[in-house]
This record gives sequence, C-alpha cells and structure tokens, in this order.
Amino acid sequence: GAVVSQHPSRVICKSGTSVKIECRSLDFQATTMFWYRQFPKQSLMLMATSNEGSKATYEQGVEKDKFLINHASLTLSTLTVTSAHPEDSSFYICSAASADRGNYGYTFGSGTRLTVV
Amino acid sequence: SQQGEEDPQALSIQEGENATMNCSYKTSINNLQWYRQNSGRGLVHLILIRSNEREKHSGRLRVTLDTSKKSSSLLITASRAADTASYFCATFSGGYQKVTFGIGTKLQVIP
Repeated sequence: GAVVSQHPSRVICKSGTSVKIECRSLDFQATTMFWYRQFPKQSLMLMATSNEGSKATYEQGVEKDKFLINHASLTLSTLTVTSAHPEDSSFYICSAASADRGNYGYTFGSGTRLTVV
Repeated sequence: SQQGEEDPQALSIQEGENATMNCSYKTSINNLQWYRQNSGRGLVHLILIRSNEREKHSGRLRVTLDTSKKSSSLLITASRAADTASYFCATFSGGYQKVTFGIGTKLQVIP
C-alpha cells in the first residue's frame, strides 16, 4: 500500500528559530501534497496545497512567508515554520495524492508534534 | 454547521457493543471517506463510499450514504478496546479539491 513518511515526529525548538518538516511518499509519486494543522481536540485544518514544481496554494489566513512549502520532487514536500513562536505549537500532518490514485483515499503521514518554547 | 460535521462528538461504549457515528455535509460530493486517528498520530484511511453508493462494508465497518440528506454514518460492530480513537469523515468534490474534515467523534471503548 501507499506509504507517506513524515519526519520528525516530534520537535522542540526555541522561539525565533525555524523548523523544517519533511513529507515523503515512499512507494508512489505524489503529484499533490497537502499540509494540515491540528490543534488539541480539534479537527484538521488545511494550510496549503502543493503541486510538484509549482508554488503552493495557501488557505486564507495562513501566512505564506511564515509557513514555507517546497515541493521540489514527486516524492518530497517540506514545510518550514520560520521564526517560530509558541502559538505555532501544534500537530502538523501532511498527506499525499497521486494522479494514478485520484482522490480515492489520500495517504497521510504520521504527523509532527511541534513545541515552541 | 461546517462541512463534514460528525455527531456525536464523544461516544463511550462497552466492548462488544456497536458504535454509530454520523456525518453531515452541505455541498455535493464525489465521495466521502472515513478516517481514524489515534491520539497524537496521523490519520488512517478506513473506507470510501462513492456518491452513487448507498452502503459499503469492510470487516466490522459499515458505512451508509444518503445523498438526499447529505449525511453518512459509520457503524463499528462488536467494538474492541483497540477501536478507541477519533473518527473523522471527509468529503471530496471534483479532482484534487481540498479535503474538508469535521471535528470528529472521539470513541472510547471500555474493556
């Protein structure tokens, strides 16, 4: 089955520093990847959609200069939280889709717990 | 209410009982999917039902879809303690549309 690897699973960083989260599709080519944010006891909120080789599309209210997304290859997308602050502490999850699979079941990564201190 | 809104938001049952969760949505969809999330983990895809389907089974899972009422239900039969998790429905429209998740139902199965 399709597997998406997300790394790191947990990260603690100091306020003002930047953190990079990687999302890799291991056994399929992900033409589209999605980044979500989830606050405790809440649902997933889509942050941005990235297509390989093009700029990401951000949802309203998401600062593109703060959450940098790069989808340089068909198997890797990265989310960089720049100048992180405590309010950025959250659970970030990526998911991947491919043209072959359509939207019949996106594959999700295992998530990254970011804590900014 | 938001697209993909589940109810109840929390459900506690005894092991062996059935658990039913409902999801309502607003717009037309191509398919609806149910996901499971264990605490602090990623999402696991459970089952997909297309807009032209009314019922689907997968193991102990049974999903129904009523497009006239814009609602879906997920039934877990003979629940187990390991079924304890949050369950989300997600609606898909068109191609790579953004997936809209509800707030989920937190299921607790008591051994």
